[in-house]
Amino acid sequence: NAGVTQTPKFHILKIGQSMTLQCTQDMNHNYMYWYRQDPGMGLKLIYYSVGAGITDKGEVPNGYNVSRSTTEDFPLRLELAAPSQTSVYFCASSYSPRRANTIYFGEGSWLTVV
Amino acid sequence: AQKITQTQPGMFVQEKEAVTLDCTYDTSDQSYGLFWYKQPSSGEMIFLIYQGSYDEQNATEGRYSLNFQKARKSANLVISASQLGDSAMYFCAMREGGQRGGADGLTFGKGTHLIIQP
Repeated sequence: NAGVTQTPKFHILKIGQSMTLQCTQDMNHNYMYWYRQDPGMGLKLIYYSVGAGITDKGEVPNGYNVSRSTTEDFPLRLELAAPSQTSVYFCASSYSPRRANTIYFGEGSWLTVV
Repeated sequence: AQKITQTQPGMFVQEKEAVTLDCTYDTSDQSYGLFWYKQPSSGEMIFLIYQGSYDEQNATEGRYSLNFQKARKSANLVISASQLGDSAMYFCAMREGGQRGGADGLTFGKGTHLIIQP
């Protein structure tokens, strides 16, 4: 079972560059999420989506954009990368909250902005 | 105010002892869910256990149990007979019902770094 797949796993980005973190899930989950985890901290929500074509901001959306054209894919776009965006990024998915007693996470993407 | 508070930044425990990791939460919602995740040094987030706010019995999953005290807004994770492989970061998280019906995912605590000593 593939579950939630994120790419790339590691990446170094220069200040001002842009990139897209890819996320795909094969569980037919409507709900998908992007989190970031700074050193020694818990995860913070960047963006989330409740279905194809629907996205909304989380706690820390500045500097990021998302799209959800299909149920499976939820890419995260970093525009004009800044050192403050150095972090570990996790994509996650779940069934609807009324059904979900588990949220499945990808393995994480380590991003360094220099 | 923090929604999830984990007061133990780090813990050292002898192998085979039981461990209790503390978690308190703050919500005004009647419907919510509490989760515990384990994050080993490799970085992935591993789901351990879930407790719904309306569940009358404490959740159990193998060596993991959740000591749910609703009136105290406490959801402590208990690991019985700890093993060296239990060494990891442990995160408590909450999914609130709220206006968005829980669609906006989980709120995490800052975590507890558990080290099991032989």
